[in-house]
Amino acid sequence: EAGVTQFPSHSVIEKGQTVTLRCDPISGHDNLYWYRRVMGKEIKFLLHFVKESKQDESGMPNNRFLAERTGGTYSTLKVQPAELEDSGVYFCASSPRQREASTDTQYFGPGTRLTVL
Amino acid sequence: AQSVTQLGSHVSVSEGALVLLRCNYSSSVPPYLFWYVQYPNQGLQLLLKYTSAATLVKGINGFEAEFKKSETSFHLTKPSAHMSDAAEYFCAVTLMFSGGYNKLIFGAGTRLAVHP
Repeated sequence: EAGVTQFPSHSVIEKGQTVTLRCDPISGHDNLYWYRRVMGKEIKFLLHFVKESKQDESGMPNNRFLAERTGGTYSTLKVQPAELEDSGVYFCASSPRQREASTDTQYFGPGTRLTVL
Repeated sequence: AQSVTQLGSHVSVSEGALVLLRCNYSSSVPPYLFWYVQYPNQGLQLLLKYTSAATLVKGINGFEAEFKKSETSFHLTKPSAHMSDAAEYFCAVTLMFSGGYNKLIFGAGTRLAVHP
């Protein structure tokens, strides 16, 4: 079974440009999460989808970030326009939907390292 | 509010020595706790999780962790380090939501180096 995949693995862009990150979850996983790790800091939650619906986007930094999950399969995270402080590693995770969500294991992708110059 | 503190951003041990990575949590409700590991150029992989069953949790690759409520700790140990254990380790607590999902709160991570 294929794991969570993310594309690209690295992206270097200039301030003001637009970047789109993609995440392909494990097939059949309804839950999809985005997290971000800024250099040297904790990994922080950005948002969560159940199928194509945004369930919780309380961690999104500002309105320059737009996440979508059309059709409930893969997801994209667009940053427009990118700022220097957006640099970091963006992780995607997925999990099957279970009744007891608190013990739910999230399966992580390798991350996309974004550098904004 | 829930939070996680990992003591020591870098830990170095000799091959064959005990590995001890420290994690303390803060939670107003009984927590569910996780340890993840990230090997170079790979995603985070679940090592083990505590879900209020046994307080001593065994995970993959010979790791285990003990939940100690009185100390609000969930330290990760391995009796004998191997070179392949070199990686970054993350402790996390989960926020539970009735909507059928959870949200992980991570510590800052501990990078483990293993030298011959």
